[in-house]
Amino acid sequence: EAGVAQSPRYKIIEKRQSVAFWCNPISGHATLYWYQQILGQGPKLLIQFQNNGVVDDSQLPKDRFSAERLKGVDSTLKIQPAKLEDSAVYLCASSLAGSGNEKLFFGSGTQLSVL
Amino acid sequence: GQSLEQPSEVTAVEGAIVQINCTYQTSGFYGLSWYQQHDGGAPTFLSYNALDGLEETGRFSSFLSRSDSYGYLLLQELQMKDSASYFCAVRDRHGSSNTGKLIFGQGTTLQVKP
Repeated sequence: EAGVAQSPRYKIIEKRQSVAFWCNPISGHATLYWYQQILGQGPKLLIQFQNNGVVDDSQLPKDRFSAERLKGVDSTLKIQPAKLEDSAVYLCASSLAGSGNEKLFFGSGTQLSVL
Repeated sequence: GQSLEQPSEVTAVEGAIVQINCTYQTSGFYGLSWYQQHDGGAPTFLSYNALDGLEETGRFSSFLSRSDSYGYLLLQELQMKDSASYFCAVRDRHGSSNTGKLIFGQGTTLQVKP
């Protein structure tokens, strides 16, 4: 079974530039998550999709971050413009239906450095 | 709001037993999960407890006490490859639906020494 695919693996940009990350979840997984993980901290949920609808985006900085999940499969996360504090690993994860006892499957993440 | 607390670092020697505690505060509660993350790697699922008690999976066990809002991960017969960060996570309720966001603690870095 193929895992969660993310690209790119690494990205270096200057502040105020824009960047986009792509995620392809495990086939059949209805729930998709984007997490931000700053070095030395736990993953912080940015947005959670159930199919192509948003379940939670309460911690997404909507003035600069946006995410979409067209057709309930692939998803993209965009940052525009980037700030220094956005340097982090952006993890995409998926699960079957986002219910209580499900485990999340994580991709390898995109390591973003904002200079 | 939701919060989870766990120790930042734990050190143990090969072959030993180590316990990583987690206390949580959430508006709703489905269960407590544990994830392992090696340096530079992705978090991987270890265990899930929805009911009080101990769940055992090989060398790893996880415990939950809902009345105390407390759980722990127990690692036995430690091996060098167990050196990693361990995160507890809780899924809160989202309204009346069966979905909820999964919130992670700050993580406990386990260093296993020879």
